[in-house]
Order: sequence, then C-alpha cells, then structure tokens
Amino acid sequence: GAVVSQHPSWVICKSGTSVKIECRSLDFQATTMFWYRQFPKQSLMLMATSNEGSKATYEQGVEKDKFLINHASLTLSTLTVTSAHPEDSSFYICSAPNAGGIDTQYFGPGTRLTVL
Amino acid sequence: GQQLNQSPQSMFIQEGEDVSMNCTSSSIFNTWLWYKQDPGEGPVLLIALYKAGELTSNGRLTAQFGITRKDSFLNISASIPSDVGIYFCALAGYGGATNKLIFGTGTLLAVQP
Repeated sequence: GAVVSQHPSWVICKSGTSVKIECRSLDFQATTMFWYRQFPKQSLMLMATSNEGSKATYEQGVEKDKFLINHASLTLSTLTVTSAHPEDSSFYICSAPNAGGIDTQYFGPGTRLTVL
Repeated sequence: GQQLNQSPQSMFIQEGEDVSMNCTSSSIFNTWLWYKQDPGEGPVLLIALYKAGELTSNGRLTAQFGITRKDSFLNISASIPSDVGIYFCALAGYGGATNKLIFGTGTLLAVQP
C-alpha cells in the first residue's frame, strides 16, 4: 500500500534552535498534506494544512511564524519548528491523502521532538 | 468548536474478551473513521463508515455509523494481545474540507494474555 515517511523519527535539540521535519509520500503524489501534534496521552490535534504551490492554512491557535510549513513538491512537505522551547516537545505526525478518497489518507510514523 | 467525545478513556481486559467503545459528536458529519495507533507510530485506518446506520466489519472488528449521524461504535471480538494500542474515532469533513480530520480523545486498550 501507499507509504508516507517522516524524517527524522526523533530529534533532540537545545532551546532556541530550529528543527525541520520532513514528510514524504513515497509512491503517490499529494497536493495536500496535514500536520498534527500529539502530546503524551492525548489525541492528535490538527495544526495546519500544507498546500503544494501555495501557503499553508493554519488551525486556530497555531502560530504560523513559529511553525513554518513548506510544500516544496507533490511528494514533500516540511514543518520547521522555529526557536523551539521545551513546551514544543511533542510527537508530530503528518498525513497525505491519496486521490482515492477519505479512506486513502495515510499517516506517517511520526517524529518525536524533545527540546531541552 | 466541534466536540468529539470518546469512551471509555481506557480499558484493561483479558485475552479473549470482547471490547466496545464509542464516540459521540456535537454535530452531524458524513464520514466516521476508526484508527488504531501503536506506541510511537502514526495511526492506521481500521474501518471507514459513510452512511447512517452502516455496519461494517474488518476481521474481528465491527463498527457502526449511528442513525442520528452523531455517534459511532467500534467492537472488537475475542481480543488478542496484539490488539493493544490506542483506538481513535475520527470525523472527516472538518471545517468543510473533505480530507480534514478531527480526532476523538482516544481509548487506550490493554489486553492481559
């Protein structure tokens, strides 16, 4: 089946640094990708919709200047957490819908970010 | 905003037991989804429901789309240790976008061998 990959799978960084997370659709093209954040023992919260060729759309309460999203190609979206702080430590997951419909939306394996 | 409540929050059962969990929404949606998330992984789709009243099975899993279109349940029969994980319901069409999902609060399932 279709696969979505994320890189890195985990990252530890110092407070104040920026971290880039990549999301790739490996065998299909995705004009739209979604970024979620999941804190321990909590649900997935949609952060933003990444749109190929145009600006990302952010959910209410998500700082667009802190979470920069770039959809560089039909198979790659990147999320950059700028000036990361310990409260940004979380599990970040992306998803990419195939053209077939809602039940062909595939999730990446997630990236564990720890900010010291 | 949209509320998607899932219960129970957690379950600890013996292998071989049946499990039932449910979700309720404050609004009407047209697509209910059930996902399973293993620790440190992304969610994997289990069952998708598209019509009110629809009952769909996937192996030992059965899910139904409520008649009111505001609720859904997931049953797991004869549980096995590999059923351990977090189960999420999700609604599609959040914010008017077909592929945007909103997730329930999750049900943590632990299975004692």
